[in-house]
Amino acid sequence: DIQMTQSPSSLSASVGDRVTITCRASHGISKSLAWFQQKPGKAPKSLIFGASTLQSGVPSKFSGSGSGTDFTLTISSLQPEDFATYYCQQYYSYPITFGQGTRLEIK
Amino acid sequence: QLQLQESGPGLVKPSETLSLTCTVSDDSINTYNYYWGWIRQPPGKGLEWIGDISSSGTTYYNASLTSRLSMSVDTSKKQFSLNLSSVTAADTAVYYCARRPRASYFDSWGQGILVTVSS
Repeated sequence: DIQMTQSPSSLSASVGDRVTITCRASHGISKSLAWFQQKPGKAPKSLIFGASTLQSGVPSKFSGSGSGTDFTLTISSLQPEDFATYYCQQYYSYPITFGQGTRLEIK
Repeated sequence: QLQLQESGPGLVKPSETLSLTCTVSDDSINTYNYYWGWIRQPPGKGLEWIGDISSSGTTYYNASLTSRLSMSVDTSKKQFSLNLSSVTAADTAVYYCARRPRASYFDSWGQGILVTVSS
C-alpha cells in the first residue's frame, strides 16, 4: 500500500498569510494526487487533482505542485473561510489512500 | 450538477450488517466512465477508502475490510450499495459515497451519513 504522510498535522496562521502543506508518498505516484478541503460537519470538497490542476470553481489562491513522491498545497492570502482541514489523496494505485490531514487554525 | 445522497439506518447493533445506499441524481452511473466509491470517517479522525464499484459491477475493496464487505450497483435505479457485516464499535463513522472518474480522484461527494454501532 502507498502511505501518504502530510506535514504539519496542524498549523496556525493569520488572515492574509500564505501557507504551504506538504504531502509525501511512500512510493512514486506520478501526478496522481488530489487535495481536499473539509470543514466541520461537511463532506470533503475537491480543490486540486493531477497534483496541480484546479477543480472548476476553486479560487486561484489555491495552488498545488509536485510529482513522484513530494507534493505541496499552497494557499495564499488566507481568509476566514479557508480555515479547515486539508487532506491529500493518491489515486495512482489501489488501495486508494489519504493523508492523515492538516488542520489549519486561526492564530 | 451531480448530487449523491446516502441513505440507511443511523444505528446498527454489534455483529449485525450495516447497509447503505447511495442515490445518484444524473445518468452518469449508466456510463463506463466512472467508478462509484465509499469512504468513511470515524468521529474526529481521517478518511478511509472502503471500496469502489463500476457500473458493470466490478469491485475493488480495501483489503482490511474484504472479508466483511460487499458492494453492488443497480443502474436502473441509479443506486449503488454497501453492506458491511459483523460490525463492531470500530465501524462507527460518517460514511460518504462519491464518484470517481476512471483512474482519477473523487470529484463529487454525498453529504455523508453517520452510522453508530451500539447495542
